Amino acid sequence: GAGVSQSPSNKVTEKGKDVELRCDPISGHTALYWYRQRLGQGLEFLIYFQGNSAPDKSGLPSDRFSAERTGESVSTLTIQRTQQEDSAVYLCASSINWGALGYTFGSGTRLTVV
Amino acid sequence: ILNVEQSPQSLHVQEGDSTNFTCSFPSSNFYALHWYRWETAKSPEALFVMTLNGDEKKKGRISATLNTKEGYSYLYIKGSQPEDSATYLCATNFGNEKLTFGTGTRLTIIP
Repeated sequence: GAGVSQSPSNKVTEKGKDVELRCDPISGHTALYWYRQRLGQGLEFLIYFQGNSAPDKSGLPSDRFSAERTGESVSTLTIQRTQQEDSAVYLCASSINWGALGYTFGSGTRLTVV
Repeated sequence: ILNVEQSPQSLHVQEGDSTNFTCSFPSSNFYALHWYRWETAKSPEALFVMTLNGDEKKKGRISATLNTKEGYSYLYIKGSQPEDSATYLCATNFGNEKLTFGTGTRLTIIP
């Protein structure tokens, strides 16, 4: 597509429920990143996919978080047993390859855990 | 821990005035410095990418400079307009593939 698309744009969920966030990167972009921004904090790296290589999961905050990507297309970020501290804006970005000078971001999913 | 720091955290500027803010980062293993503008409910928008010490980039009323030896970048906005209100993020690669972001400078232009 023309840009990075994320869905849903807003999600309110009850504590303890699972949520799934979706990212459609730009066609042809082999690299895909998930970041989040919690209130008052900077953008925090979560996970990175590059082509068919093993993903860099070093930023995932706990084992309740997981992400998958099918080939070089859609990615889903799953949060199990959500907690209030998971409330944040979750941003997805893609780039043409590793080391590309610039990412294209989606508009994010605002997750609120009540 | 690789820290990217931005200052100030927030800034209110009268319409028509010029302003600037700072991004500082460790100078070792530097790869590239990125500036993004992030308006509420929108995607962060890439403004500049700079790689070389002494780089200066300009887009309209916005410009940026880079000093990789001392580890800082400045973003300048000349003649601020209400549409400049946003959070300005800087980020670096530190020689690997993922960007490390600062906490941003929230700019509010007062009409």
